[in-house]
Order: sequence, then C-alpha cells, then structure tokens
Amino acid sequence: GNSVTQMEGPVTLSEEAFLTINCTYTATGYPSLFWYVQYPGEGLQLLLKATKADDKGSNKGFEATYRKETTSFHLEKGSVQVSDSAVYFCALRRLAEGYSTLTFGKGTMLLVSP
Amino acid sequence: NAGVMQNPRHLVRRRGQEARLRCSPMKGHSHVYWYRQLPEEGLKFMVYLQKENIIDESGMPKERFSAEFPKEGPSILRIQQVVRGDSAAYFCASSPRDSSTDTQYFGPGTRLTVL
Repeated sequence: GNSVTQMEGPVTLSEEAFLTINCTYTATGYPSLFWYVQYPGEGLQLLLKATKADDKGSNKGFEATYRKETTSFHLEKGSVQVSDSAVYFCALRRLAEGYSTLTFGKGTMLLVSP
Repeated sequence: NAGVMQNPRHLVRRRGQEARLRCSPMKGHSHVYWYRQLPEEGLKFMVYLQKENIIDESGMPKERFSAEFPKEGPSILRIQQVVRGDSAAYFCASSPRDSSTDTQYFGPGTRLTVL
C-alpha cells in the first residue's frame, strides 16, 4: 500500500539556520507529492507540491524536489525564521477511479528560536 | 471567498454520548473529505463524499461512525456512543471538482475530547 515516512521531530534550529526535513514514500504508480504546514491551533495549509519526477515545488523560501529514483521529497529552506515554527506534513496523492485521497506522514515539528 | 469552515472548534463529550461535527466546504466546492488526526500521528483518511453521495468510506470505522453531505447544508460527521479512543482532531477538506488533479483545502479542524 501507499505510505509516507518523515523524520521524527522536533527539529530545533536557530533563526537563519538551514532546514532539511526528510520525507520518503512508498506508492504504486506515479503519485503527486505535497508538503502541508500546520501552525498551532490551525488547520493544514498547502505549502508546495510536485506532480511528476524531477519537478521542484517552491513557496515562501521552501522547496522540495520529487526524486523518483530515491522515492524522496525532502523539504529544504536556506534560512528559517521564528515564524516558520510549525508542524510540517509530507503527503502523497493516491489516484483511485478518477478521484484521489491523501496519505500523510506523521508530521515533523519545527521549532525555531531567535 | 471564505475558506473551509468547521464547527465546533472544540467539542467535549462523555463516553456514550453522540458527537456531531460540521463542515462547510469552500464556495463552489462539491467534494468533501474527512480526516482524523490522533495524538502524535499524521492525518488518516476517513471518508470522501460528493453532494448526496458517499464515494469512498474505506477509512471510516464500520461501527458508530457515519457521514453525510446533503444537497443543502454542511457535511456532517457523526460519531455515536463515543469512547475515549475517539479523542482526536477531525479535519475536513474540500475541492471543487474531481480531485484527481485539484488541491484539497483544509478547515481548522474540530478537536474532540471524550471524558
């Protein structure tokens, strides 16, 4: 079946540090891949996505590249801010008879200190 | 354009009571998805509905849980005779059409606590 594995958190960084959150997946076919972010007390917001191999999704300084050969979609940011503190979820979209549902990883909490 | 609305945001129930969670999709969206987030876990798909139809309920427990999305009004996730293990955050998402390509937009969630 489909599954997503993320590195466990929390990830604790100082402001302006480099961020990597690892994500690998198992899926049949060619899924689309997503990163969602959840700020405290809020719902999930789509951060970025990639729909095919070698695509790079980017938004707000975050980026991730769809690597089919390593089945990975690692999230990176060159310089984190305190406001980036949140839980980050990697997800894949499974297609089934013309519709899709999302399979999520367990989430990685990021804590950025000033 | 208002986002996906869920209410209540927080719900407390005693064991054996019923919980009703509501989700109003974004304007123009006719597809609704419910996900459950247990403590320390990622979101798990529960059910996918279109107006008046359940398309996929493969992630929903067979007992005590039901969902509907009537022609008029919000989608409802209903949990009968709640137990402590039902305590979780329940998220609703919506998309405008066939979601094979469309992004799902999430609501803020309902946090259910069963005492």
